[in-house]
Amino acid sequence: GAVVSQHPSRVICKSGTSVKIECRSLDFQATTMFWYRQFPKQSLMLMATSNEGSKATYEQGVEKDKFLINHASLTLSTLTVTSAHPEDSSFYICSASSPSGQIYGYTFGSGTRLTVV
Amino acid sequence: AQSVSQHNHHVILSEAASLELGCNYSYGGTVNLFWYVQYPGQHLQLLLKYFSGDPLVKGIKGFEAEFIKSKFSFNLRKPSVQWSDTAEYFCAGSSGNTPLVFGKGTRLSVIA
Repeated sequence: GAVVSQHPSRVICKSGTSVKIECRSLDFQATTMFWYRQFPKQSLMLMATSNEGSKATYEQGVEKDKFLINHASLTLSTLTVTSAHPEDSSFYICSASSPSGQIYGYTFGSGTRLTVV
Repeated sequence: AQSVSQHNHHVILSEAASLELGCNYSYGGTVNLFWYVQYPGQHLQLLLKYFSGDPLVKGIKGFEAEFIKSKFSFNLRKPSVQWSDTAEYFCAGSSGNTPLVFGKGTRLSVIA
């Protein structure tokens, strides 16, 4: 079945530094990937939709200059948290859908727990 | 606006009890509905999904859900829960290939 790999699974960084999170579709091509953020004991909140070869579409309230998304190929999307602050600490999850319109259940990555100290 | 709501915040059941978790959606037109489970410390796993056809959907681990269009509902059911079903359950919806919109989740605690 469809597999999405997300890396790293955990990262601790100092305040003011940047962190890059990778999301790869391993056995299918994903023209669209989605980035979510999950706070403890809360639901997933969509941050942005990443489209291969074009700019990401950000949800209202999400700072596009802080959360840089790049979707350079059909199998890789990256989320870079720039100048991270403690309030950016969260669980970030990516998911992918296929290009043909068939939906692989929106396969999710295993998530990245970011801690900014 | 498209939305998914889960009214049960926390459900506590004894082992072997029957489970029903509510999910209501607000979508115009075609809707795709999903149930995901998140076990403690783990990532989301798809339990089942509905796109079209038979409104009663069978999923993994003995779960099922029924799409009732007239009630805008997609409730999750399991006839007999086990301790290992303790987890957070999320209902989600989409229209076409749009991003999934998640409900707030329902925490299920199964006690012996």
